[in-house]
Amino acid sequence: QVQLQESGPGLVKPSETLSLTCTVSGDSIDGYYWSWIRQPAGKGLEWIGRIYTSGSTNYKPSLKSRVTMSVDTSKNQFSLKLNSVTAADTAVYFCVRVRSGSSYDWFDPWGQGTLVTVSS
Amino acid sequence: DIQMTQSPSSLSASVGDRVTITCRASQSISSYLNWYQQKPGKAPNLLIYAASSLQSGVPSRFSGSGSGTDFTLTISSLQPEDFATYYCQQSYSTPWTFGQGTEVEIK
Repeated sequence: QVQLQESGPGLVKPSETLSLTCTVSGDSIDGYYWSWIRQPAGKGLEWIGRIYTSGSTNYKPSLKSRVTMSVDTSKNQFSLKLNSVTAADTAVYFCVRVRSGSSYDWFDPWGQGTLVTVSS
Repeated sequence: DIQMTQSPSSLSASVGDRVTITCRASQSISSYLNWYQQKPGKAPNLLIYAASSLQSGVPSRFSGSGSGTDFTLTISSLQPEDFATYYCQQSYSTPWTFGQGTEVEIK
């Protein structure tokens, strides 16, 4: 059974860089797209972007200038960096696997999520 | 970006009720529509993918239908464990987007 676990600092100062890593266990990271999704407290879900194990990426346009995703297949991990953060970036961040079939895509499974607070 | 609009934003229902949640896309998305359930403090959980395919392990009381711009999630007989927030999500084109959520509360 595939499991995902987010890790990284829970507190980031404004204007600095948020860095998170997702460790995948129970299956190889190879051959899938992987995504980051965030959720501010009490609000809805926002897709940040996706990365394939080749390193190919797609980012949400409104975040593209601040986002970098990377993958380390040797460690079965992928990562998110979001720079120049503000309070608006405070959210629970989820890492997820993108499943694909017959041209359809969906998110499964999800990591448990990690709260990142942007505050001085 | 494709905008996803769910209705209602919240509803109150009793155990055993039939519940229907609607999701509308701002443009046609064929059947590229997924549904997730989220309980407080937990990650979302996939229920339905490709508009009507039931995820393995999900009870058969959940069903999805629709294509184009209008979609429906139906719970045929609401159970106590179904009280949660439900989200639709389009995978027709990036950036992938979610509806704002529908909270199902106990009446």
